[in-house]
Amino acid sequence: EAGVAQSPRYKIIEKRQSVAFWCNPISGHATLYWYQQILGQGPKLLIQFQNNGVVDDSQLPKDRFSAERLKGVDSTLKIQPAKLEDSAVYLCASSSSLRASYNEQFFGPGTRLTVL
Amino acid sequence: KQEVTQIPAALSVPEGENLVLNCSFTDSAIYNLQWFRQDPGKGLTSLLLIQSSQREQTSGRLNASLDKSSGRSTLYIAASQPGDSATYLCAVRSGSGGSNYKLTFGKGTLLTVNP
Repeated sequence: EAGVAQSPRYKIIEKRQSVAFWCNPISGHATLYWYQQILGQGPKLLIQFQNNGVVDDSQLPKDRFSAERLKGVDSTLKIQPAKLEDSAVYLCASSSSLRASYNEQFFGPGTRLTVL
Repeated sequence: KQEVTQIPAALSVPEGENLVLNCSFTDSAIYNLQWFRQDPGKGLTSLLLIQSSQREQTSGRLNASLDKSSGRSTLYIAASQPGDSATYLCAVRSGSGGSNYKLTFGKGTLLTVNP
């Protein structure tokens, strides 16, 4: 079974530029998550999708971050414009069910963003 | 608000030693707890998931325990190897129900196993 795929793996941009990340979850997984992991910290949930609907985006900085999951499969996360503090690893994860008790999440390799 | 703390922040041991990593959480009303491994520059690999009704889970040389009432979990690694060197993250799933379930992570323990 193929895992969660993400691209690009690395991205370097200057502040105020825009950037987009792509995620392809495990086939058949209805729930998709985007996390931000700043160096030395644990991942922080940015947004959670169930199929193509948003379940939780309470920690997404909506003035600059946006995400979509068209057709309930692939997802993109965009930052526009980027700030220095957005430098982090952006992790995508998926799970087969929204049911909490059985919700094991599987993570992709992440995209390391550096904002100069 | 759920908070997860991992102690120690870093640990260095000689090869072959048994070791314990600790995780504590402030809200005991959790659905499950998951231990992950993260190698430098890589994503997270799930090691063990313990449901709230369970006391422990085992996989190979790894054993994770859960004491929900006291808000604690431990990850025991037997006969450590240099390949075990990585950051170990603890995460708990909690929430008020419906769609309001969140996975809250600790900051991790950086483990170095010296040959």
